[in-house]
Amino acid sequence: EAQVTQNPRYLITVTGKKLTVTCSQNMNHEYMSWYRQDPGLGLRQIYYSMNVEVTDKGDVPEGYKVSRKEKRNFPLILESPSPNQTSLYFCASSLDRGGNQPQHFGDGTRLSIL
Amino acid sequence: QQPVQSPQAVILREGEDAVINCSSSKALYSVHWYRQKHGEAPVFLMILLKGGEQKGHDKISASFNEKKQQSSLYLTASQLSYSGTYFCGTEIPGHASGGSYIPTFGRGTSLIVHP
Repeated sequence: EAQVTQNPRYLITVTGKKLTVTCSQNMNHEYMSWYRQDPGLGLRQIYYSMNVEVTDKGDVPEGYKVSRKEKRNFPLILESPSPNQTSLYFCASSLDRGGNQPQHFGDGTRLSIL
Repeated sequence: QQPVQSPQAVILREGEDAVINCSSSKALYSVHWYRQKHGEAPVFLMILLKGGEQKGHDKISASFNEKKQQSSLYLTASQLSYSGTYFCGTEIPGHASGGSYIPTFGRGTSLIVHP
């Protein structure tokens, strides 16, 4: 089954404790991206990747890191999480340039930073 | 640049129609439409690429105006299953570095359909 898999689905942690949210897709998609969703603000793009070893900042990249060492995986890293990063996070992938290809979303990861 | 969606919320009864708008100050490369149920991932509905284009399936359709700065999503004879938040995602040509196109989403329109 074609899918984007995120882990964990839920995480409660404390300020400053490094965490990684994993994202994996099995569709051989070139493009992958991370979004955060906050009430009233919609989906805001954090980082995206056009291919292995090629990443770029989205609209709200501060406090986040990403890497793309393999085509299928695109982890999101919070080196020193803070309460304002409490949010619902979605990973997405698309076959190639996103303009004419649909985004396939993972089920989301709900992070709470205390 | 985040597209502007209107209205923010729509409440209707089964069988009624609704229109959701998505607009940009610049001409767009494309418009995506997604629906998200509470607590779930957004689900793709359709993409429009050409000015003047209209497309749809079942009773949900969308249009893209000639100037490619506005799109509208039409929900006809709404069903209970149409409830959710609708997002448009847009790309502005050359917006991202390297010519890549990753959608920028609007803030969403909450649609509630009552029996």
